Amino acid sequence: RKEVEQDPGPFNVPEGATVAFNCTYSNSASQSFFWYRQDCRKEPKLLMSVYSSGNEDGRFTAQLNRASQYISLLIRDSKLSDSATYLCVVNRDNYGQNFVFGPGTRLSVLP
Amino acid sequence: NAGVMQNPRHLVRRRGQEARLRCSPMKGHSHVYWYRQLPEEGLKFMVYLQKENIIDESGMPKERFSAEFPKEGPSILRIQQVVRGDSAAYFCASSPPQSNSPLHFGNGTRLTVT
Repeated sequence: RKEVEQDPGPFNVPEGATVAFNCTYSNSASQSFFWYRQDCRKEPKLLMSVYSSGNEDGRFTAQLNRASQYISLLIRDSKLSDSATYLCVVNRDNYGQNFVFGPGTRLSVLP
Repeated sequence: NAGVMQNPRHLVRRRGQEARLRCSPMKGHSHVYWYRQLPEEGLKFMVYLQKENIIDESGMPKERFSAEFPKEGPSILRIQQVVRGDSAAYFCASSPPQSNSPLHFGNGTRLTVT
């Protein structure tokens, strides 16, 4: 079992739809959590950090459930420009390689 | 505040040559990470360095690959005697020493081995 797992995808949704991505992690000592997006042939870019109380940034909402070791990302009113691969990233912070990347979930927003 | 700088953006090497990839972290960042990404695949961790120290190289192939982050200058990922299978995008990322800080990525070096 991988340390960080994500919905396999791909997700194909129409413009304006709401879409949710799920991520689970196995290391209960994990300290911090992030969502990145990666466009084709580009570098990953930080979308948002995920805080214990949940946080929102415009159309994006991130939730963390430490007890269930589960992270989610909700995108409301999806735009064509949201099409990308979304990466769940966990920082263990107590090993040599602090950051563990999930395999990513691909989203295509269709006109 | 300049971001993570990688160069070159594109690098073409013939089989058997050496490839040197450079990464300058963001100002104030002392931790550098190298990742490799093959087409249509996910990011694969290679190595994590701090100034003058390799902290974790568990993702580095045992042969032909090496990395350094000297006291002065950029981090270097070196691939000796390249083979076609080394063709990939190599991304560098940096983070500050504080925990709970995210990674910031450079725009990568695309290596093509002919």
